[in-house]
Parts: sequence; C-alpha cells; structure tokens
Amino acid sequence: QSILTQPPSVSGAPGQRVTISCTGSSSNIGAGYDVHWYQQLPGTAPKLLIHGNSNRPSGVPDRFSGSKSGTSASLAITGLQADDEANYYCQSYDNSLSGSRVFGGGTKLTVL
Amino acid sequence: EVRLVESGGGLVQPGRSLRLSCTAYGFMFGDDAISWVRQAPGKGLEWVGIIRSRAYGGTTEYAASVKGRFTISRDDSKTTAYLQMSSLKTEDTAVYYCVRDLVVMAYFDHWGQGALVTVSS
Repeated sequence: QSILTQPPSVSGAPGQRVTISCTGSSSNIGAGYDVHWYQQLPGTAPKLLIHGNSNRPSGVPDRFSGSKSGTSASLAITGLQADDEANYYCQSYDNSLSGSRVFGGGTKLTVL
Repeated sequence: EVRLVESGGGLVQPGRSLRLSCTAYGFMFGDDAISWVRQAPGKGLEWVGIIRSRAYGGTTEYAASVKGRFTISRDDSKTTAYLQMSSLKTEDTAVYYCVRDLVVMAYFDHWGQGALVTVSS
C-alpha cells in the first residue's frame, strides 16, 4: 500500500487530454512538500517528467503539465500520443518517515 | 552527459549477501547525493535509501523495509556508490536503480538502467 494514492489506470484517445491524480496527506503533500512525476516507458528506467509540482526538465514537451493543491497533485497530458503509453509515478517527501522519499503506486496510461 | 551505471546484480540465495555498484559519469559526483530505488517484478517504485554528499555529512537513511540489512556507502575518488545487501529475502527480488538525488528538493533527476537482483533458492 503506497503512501501516495494514484488511480491504477487511465485511458484516452489520441489527441485527447487526460489527468492523473496523486493524493497524499498532511505529512507529505499537505505539509507543503513538492510533488514530482516520472514516466516509465515499457522495459525502460523511469525518467523525470515534472519536478517541483509544475516544472518541466529540458526536453519534456509542454503537453505535460503538473499542478498541486492541498493534499493532492495532478499530472495533465494534452494532445495524447501513442508513445505516451507508459506508467506514471508521483513522488514526494514524507516527514513521518526517516529520510523518506515516497512514491505513488503508479498509473498505467493506455492510449486507445 | 550525466550517466549512472549499475553493476553486480544476479541470482542469490535467501539469507546471503550481494553488493551493487553504481558508477557515475558526467557530473561532480562528490557534490551530490545518491539514492537507490527498487522495483519488484510487475510492481511500482520503492525508495530504498540515500547517501548524502560530504557537504551534508555523508549521512545515510533507509526505508523501514531494508533498515538494518542494507548499507549504502560511497567512494568519491571512484565516483561510485554501493548498496550492500545482507540477509536477503525473496521479497527483495527487484530491479535496483541508482539515482541522483537532488536532496534539497528530494527528487531524482537522473536514473541508471537498473540491475536485477533475484533472491531465490
């Protein structure tokens, strides 16, 4: 059971917009800690997609955006493409656990 | 180009030990923290532990699931971090990723390709 809660799966048709939610608590997202997102394409290592709630690293298309409010965060993907099909993970810091970087359980995005 | 390359994975029996290495290229290794993140087959990501840079005291912290069994160390002269795993359990079977940990913001901006550790008799 993950500290951060994500829907197991979402889907959308090419060109559509999808959102992936990430729900935490008062010891992580709600305590003001930033949320970060990673994309894991099939058979590959995860890659940083969004950091600091809404910042895209160089090379990440602006079709990907992030937001945070209260104890939750969201990743939005617009203009869905076939190669966006992947697993997406949110991650934050939790002050109730030693050291702890915590992940969501991951969301499988299917492009229909 | 920043690169992290893991090595040392393989098949090991329950109760035995194994050490993974993570060699870094393309950045000032001594200035950065390194975390290990693992992923069991078909499962999600789990943070394992961190070793901070000398500037942050070189301190380590671990997830509860591995505390007391796993030890992270580093040799800045070799730009290499290590994950020493002892008293291995079948549930430690996973791909282990070495990641550069931007410690102030607590996120991972570069990932290695991963090393598979299989714990089985």
